[in-house]
Amino acid sequence: QVQLVQSGSEVKTPGASVNVSCKTSGYTFNIYALNWVRQVPGQGLEWMGWINTYTGNPTYAQGFTGRFVFSLDTSVTTAYLQISSLKAEDSAIYYCARDVGGSGKNWLDPWGQGTRVIVS
Amino acid sequence: QSVLTQPPSASGTPGQRVTISCSGSTSNIGRNDVNWYQQFPGTAPKLLIHSTNQRPSGVPDRFSGSKSGTSASLAISGLQSEDEADYYCAAWDDTLLGLWVFGGGTKLTVL
Repeated sequence: QVQLVQSGSEVKTPGASVNVSCKTSGYTFNIYALNWVRQVPGQGLEWMGWINTYTGNPTYAQGFTGRFVFSLDTSVTTAYLQISSLKAEDSAIYYCARDVGGSGKNWLDPWGQGTRVIVS
Repeated sequence: QSVLTQPPSASGTPGQRVTISCSGSTSNIGRNDVNWYQQFPGTAPKLLIHSTNQRPSGVPDRFSGSKSGTSASLAISGLQSEDEADYYCAAWDDTLLGLWVFGGGTKLTVL
């Protein structure tokens, strides 16, 4: 079955960097885009952007440029989110989610289990 | 401030029918499909409704979705205690390069 399995929780100090991985399985990796979504505990979902798994081209949402980098390792069907120069306000749960369907007629499914990043 | 507008809370008693609204604009709901996600505390969001009114396999038919103009609704009939969760609407927005937009979430309480 289709699965997205993320790396474990991270505790980092301000100014450090963090790498979150999203290991995919059960489908052809380069057919479906992967999205990254942030959720501050107790708050809503915030779309960070997506990466084209065929070309490797990332697209970042407003507010997630500069310190945020999406990348891929197609040999292990894994996507990565790197956040540099961490700030306390980056403390959140980060989800990867597969994009299914065509533009405007698409949905996110499944989602990874989430990776909690604490910056303190 | 979320692009899509949902009521922060909703409630109902077991067996009741509850609806959750989601208001957007012509660049998102007005033009594209709406999806709904269900999230229990401490877990990842799970797809509940896609393509405005389609239930993925395994989702009970008590859940249904609809859309009219720039607004959408999620209806839950025969409310059960296990339906208590947060519900989020989402749609692709055609602004600029395109982006996913979400509602702020509705916490459903089963009284």
